[in-house]
Amino acid sequence: SAVISQKPSRDICQRGTSLTIQCQVDSQVTMMFWYRQQPGQSLTLIATANQGSEATYESGFVIDKFPISRPNLTFSTLTVSNMSPEDSSIYLCSARGGAETQYFGPGTRLLVL
Amino acid sequence: KQEVTQIPAALSVPEGENLVLNCSFTDSAIYNLQWFRQDPGKGLTSLLLIQSSQREQTSGRLNASLDKSSGRSTLYIAASQPGDSATYLCAVTTQGGSEKLVFGKGTKLTVNP
Repeated sequence: SAVISQKPSRDICQRGTSLTIQCQVDSQVTMMFWYRQQPGQSLTLIATANQGSEATYESGFVIDKFPISRPNLTFSTLTVSNMSPEDSSIYLCSARGGAETQYFGPGTRLLVL
Repeated sequence: KQEVTQIPAALSVPEGENLVLNCSFTDSAIYNLQWFRQDPGKGLTSLLLIQSSQREQTSGRLNASLDKSSGRSTLYIAASQPGDSATYLCAVTTQGGSEKLVFGKGTKLTVNP
């Protein structure tokens, strides 16, 4: 199994600012993902973080708003740029290794005022 | 486009009762199906993963079944306990190369002592 940590665990931010969320996995994994969970909703995939290349974004999500880095097989960052109150959500990092079970971090709870 | 539906949205049962959570998906071309548990304010914990070629998986008091042709899965919880109270999420990995999980909105379970 993989243990995933995220920083920060929560934050309150002002409109127009940006926040970078860090995700660390305790073992090398093939795939890393970023999800968003809006209040009362299920999880929506933002993008797949690719090691050494640009992330693959889902429909409705763009690199300018959610830039992602993945410099190695155990670490990734998600930046939420030019935030608005609509960005208030839980952001979850996820990873999948050789087996197909997918593991999730504890989430970053973001409130934008 | 794959869509995952979970019924009921919420369920409240007395301790000791056996219960069934339902999940349906629109595209039967899946690699696998996973059941997750999400506790308030926390991330997701993987409970069971069923490959598309399998019919069921068991872990302790949990049993998950998969009927791929009809697009349905059930999660059976035996002898429920207050500690089982959480939101249960169903997710499928759809064939086609993207390997991404598509989630349902979850069933919020409350087990009353």
